[in-house]
Amino acid sequence: EAGVAQSPRYKIIEKRQSVAFWCNPISGHATLYWYQQILGQGPKLLIQFQNNGVVDDSQLPKDRFSAERLKGVDSTLKIQPAKLEDSAVYLCASGSAGTTYTGELFFGEGSRLTVL
Amino acid sequence: SQELEQSPQSLIVQEGKNLTINCTSSKTLYGLYWYKQKYGEGLIFLMMLQKGGEEKSHEKITAKLDEKKQQSSLHITASQPSHAGIYLCGADLGNDMRFGAGTRLTVKP
Repeated sequence: EAGVAQSPRYKIIEKRQSVAFWCNPISGHATLYWYQQILGQGPKLLIQFQNNGVVDDSQLPKDRFSAERLKGVDSTLKIQPAKLEDSAVYLCASGSAGTTYTGELFFGEGSRLTVL
Repeated sequence: SQELEQSPQSLIVQEGKNLTINCTSSKTLYGLYWYKQKYGEGLIFLMMLQKGGEEKSHEKITAKLDEKKQQSSLHITASQPSHAGIYLCGADLGNDMRFGAGTRLTVKP
């Protein structure tokens, strides 16, 4: 079974530029999460999707961050314009209805963003 | 997340020694999850605890959830270099999964 795929693995941009991250969850997983992990901290939830609907985006800075999951499969997270404090690893995770009850989310390897 | 406090922040132990990591919430948890993260990689699920007083073990790792479902401990017996990494507790707070700041474990050979 293929795992959660994320790209790019690394991205370096200057402040005020834009960036987009892509995530392809495990096939059949209805739930998809984007987390932001700043160095030395735990992952912070940005947005949760259930199929193509948003379940929770209360911590997403909507003035600069956007995310979509149009067909209920893969997802894109965009930052525009980027700020220095956006430097972090962006983790995508997915889970199925069954794993929601076991707590097992499957994580990708993350996309590391450096904003200069 | 301020909703979950982990201690200690970092831990250095000699190979073969036992260790304990704690996770505390100010709220009653629907579920408490333990994950492990190696540098530059995603999180790997270890185990989940739901019931007050529940205890689970996997190989040399044991996790417990207290009766009030507000505190959990992760205990590693006879640590090995392969146990090194960042241990994160996560909690189901109703709608989604939130994480603590993590405990960085170093195991010296």
